[in-house]
Order: sequence, then C-alpha cells, then structure tokens
Amino acid sequence: NIVLTQSPKSMSISVGDRVTMNCRASQNVNNNVVWYQQKPGQSPKLLIYYASTRYTGVPDRFTGGGYGTDFTLSINSVQAEDVAFYYCQRIYNFPPWTFGGGTKLELK
Amino acid sequence: EVQLVESGGGIVQPGRSLKLSCEASGFTFSHYGMNWIRQSPGKGLEWIAYITDGISYSYYAETVKGRCTISRDNAKNTLYLQMTSLRSEDTALYYCARSLVTGVLDAWGQGASVTVSS
Repeated sequence: NIVLTQSPKSMSISVGDRVTMNCRASQNVNNNVVWYQQKPGQSPKLLIYYASTRYTGVPDRFTGGGYGTDFTLSINSVQAEDVAFYYCQRIYNFPPWTFGGGTKLELK
Repeated sequence: EVQLVESGGGIVQPGRSLKLSCEASGFTFSHYGMNWIRQSPGKGLEWIAYITDGISYSYYAETVKGRCTISRDNAKNTLYLQMTSLRSEDTALYYCARSLVTGVLDAWGQGASVTVSS
C-alpha cells in the first residue's frame, strides 16, 4: 500500500506569512493527490484535488502543486481563519484511499 | 444545500454490533459514490469503506474488512455502516462523505461518535 508522509507535523506562523507544507508518497501517484482542511471541531473540507485543481469556493491564496511522489500545499498571506490541520490523500480508481498524517498550522 | 447527517453512534461493549446511518439531502443521492471515514480521538483520518453509485460495489480498508458492511438505500437517501465484533480501536468519530469523483470527498457530515468500551 502507498504511504503518504506529511511534513512538517506542525508549523507556527504569523498572519500574512506564506507557508508551504509537504506530502510525499512512497510510490508514484501521478497527480492523484487531494488536500483537505480540518478546522478545530469541524469536519474536513475539500481544498485541492488532482494535486492542483482548486475546489469551488476555495480562496486563491491556497495553491497545490507537485507530481509523482512530491506534493505541496502553499498558502499565500495566511489568515487567522486558516489555523487548522491539513491532510493530503491519495486517490485512484479504486480504494484504499489513504491519508497522510496531517500538518497542524497554528499562529505564533 | 448539500447535507449529510450521521446518526446511530453511541457507547458499545467490545464484541457487540452497531449500525450507523447517514441521511443525505440537497443532491441526487443515487448519482454519487459514498464513503465512511473515521477519526480516532486526537488522530488523523482513516478511509474505511466506499460504495459506488449504480450497481453498488463496495470496498473496505483492511482494518475493517469482514467486520463492516457499507450499504445504501437510494429510495431513502440514506447510507449505512453495519459494524460487528467491535474493538476498542474502533473508537472514533465516523464521518460519511460524498465522492465528487472517485476518491475526492467534497461533502462531509458532522460525524457520529462511537466508543467501544466495557
């Protein structure tokens, strides 16, 4: 099974910073990676799919990139409302659809 | 507005069974594949089951295969997860989620809490 490793596990940032978090797959997954945001006490929300396609309504400060085994989620000019856990997920035609361990974004 | 509302969670003894439901509204339920994902306390997300639209093929994570059954009633716009032989490690918040396209989860419920404890 393909394993997704997210780094760093946590990040402390200031409002207005640009941040980049990583997701590495143990095998080539082409562009079959999805990113979700989970705010405290809430369900996850879809941000990015197929590595770089922003979902409807997601602010354009969120950008996904990468192909093959290495993927990134960047947030330009972080807002206080972006404090959350971020999870990557590997998708394909058939399950299992594994998640990474998550990156926690918090304010300094 | 797309809504998914889980129910049926609770506290159950090890070895017992539990059935979760997820009532869908705001979209044509029969046209979408549906999933169950769980999140253990303080932990990350684990996909556990998927059922296709149409013919309703089902798929399971190895951690629940043989103990869980995903099903759907399109007439009632409802997704189910039957769990048997429950273990302490099944303690989690169970989310149902819609597949936008295969594997991409674009709508989530608020979750149903399951605690397995004697």
